[in-house]
Amino acid sequence: DIQMTQSPSSLSASVGDRVTITCRASQSISSYLNWYQQKPGKAPNLLIFAASSLQGGVPSRFSGSGFGTDFTLTISSLQPQDFATYYCQQSYSTLSLTFGGGTKVEIK
Amino acid sequence: EVQLVESGGGLVQPGRSLRLSCAASGFTFDDYSMHWVRQAPGKGLEWVSGINWNSGKIGYADSVKGRFTISRDNAKNSLYLQMNSLRTEDTALYYCAKGHVTTVTTSYFDSWGQGTLVTVSP
Repeated sequence: DIQMTQSPSSLSASVGDRVTITCRASQSISSYLNWYQQKPGKAPNLLIFAASSLQGGVPSRFSGSGFGTDFTLTISSLQPQDFATYYCQQSYSTLSLTFGGGTKVEIK
Repeated sequence: EVQLVESGGGLVQPGRSLRLSCAASGFTFDDYSMHWVRQAPGKGLEWVSGINWNSGKIGYADSVKGRFTISRDNAKNSLYLQMNSLRTEDTALYYCAKGHVTTVTTSYFDSWGQGTLVTVSP
């Protein structure tokens, strides 16, 4: 199975900060990498698909990049509603989809 | 509007069985793959199983292979998860999620239910 490793596992940041979260795959997954945001007590919400495509309705301060094994999610200017946990997910492996461990973004 | 409503969770003893259901509406159900994703209390997301549009391709996480069975009834717009030989480590909130394509492979999850809680305890 393809393993997905996110870093950091948590971070503290202030409103207005630029935040970058990384996700590394244990083997090449081309661009089959997706990002989700989850707030406490809520279901996850799709932010980015295919490494860099913004899901409809998601603010443009969110962006994704990467190819192969290394990917990043960037929030250009952190807003109060962005404090949440973020997960990457690979959709390359045949009949076996996996998530990263998550990155919790907290208020500094 | 896409709606996914899970049911069937509850408290069950180790070794017993439980069947989860997901009722879908607001989209053409048999145009998309469907999936189960779980989240243990205070932990991250784990993909459990996925099924393609016509039930022809099915995948499972290694942690549930041989114990869980996913199925769908396109006539009823419903997804199911039969969980046998339950273990304490299966305790989690189980989400039903819609794939963005017909296939399991390459799929991401563009709609989610609110989840149904399964607690496995003696």
